[in-house]
Amino acid sequence: AQSVTQPDIHITVSEGASLELRCNYSYGATPYLFWYVQSPGQGLQLLLKYFSGDTLVQGIKGFEAEFKRSQSSFNLRKPSVHWSDAAEYFCAVGLNNNDMRFGAGTRLTVKP
Amino acid sequence: ETGVTQTPRHLVMGMTNKKSLKCEQHLGHNAMYWYKQSAKKPLELMFVYSLEERVENNSVPSRFSPECPNSSHLFLHLHTLQPEDSALYLCASSQEANTEAFFGQGTRLTVV
Repeated sequence: AQSVTQPDIHITVSEGASLELRCNYSYGATPYLFWYVQSPGQGLQLLLKYFSGDTLVQGIKGFEAEFKRSQSSFNLRKPSVHWSDAAEYFCAVGLNNNDMRFGAGTRLTVKP
Repeated sequence: ETGVTQTPRHLVMGMTNKKSLKCEQHLGHNAMYWYKQSAKKPLELMFVYSLEERVENNSVPSRFSPECPNSSHLFLHLHTLQPEDSALYLCASSQEANTEAFFGQGTRLTVV
């Protein structure tokens, strides 16, 4: 079945530590790929996107993501996490049929 | 401020009530969306409008009725809802369907 998988429901990291959030998708063609962040009680904010070209994309707030076609993955990374990064993170794919599918989300907790 | 505004932010309604959610985008986008976000579930795409025409309806119950009078406004009319319809309802817009979406802050709906 076509899907977007975020294997980690909840991740806790210490402030200043590095972060990697995983995302895998299963669609026939390479879709458009996105990462969004959601703070409590708020809507989703786009962090970065991949349509084509360079497989390493830079986003806002110091985030980056790497598209790996062979692994059908689009993992989100940040070298040094700040307390303000605590939020819910969603991976999403845009399909050709006017659809956009989201993963179930990964909740990030940042320890002082 | 994402350029997508939703009202009201919070809504409590009885199962026999009729209410409407409103979404307005100031970005000049051509596509608008309604999503439902429930606890511990992925975002569910409900409706997609492209150039004011509905292009996607993911088998949403008829107690939810969308309306898109122009490219800047989107409504979700609610009637005879069930308690399980309580959720955060998110509106989004994008330049074209399935490209990067900009989200409103959502309407927290509680059905009693």
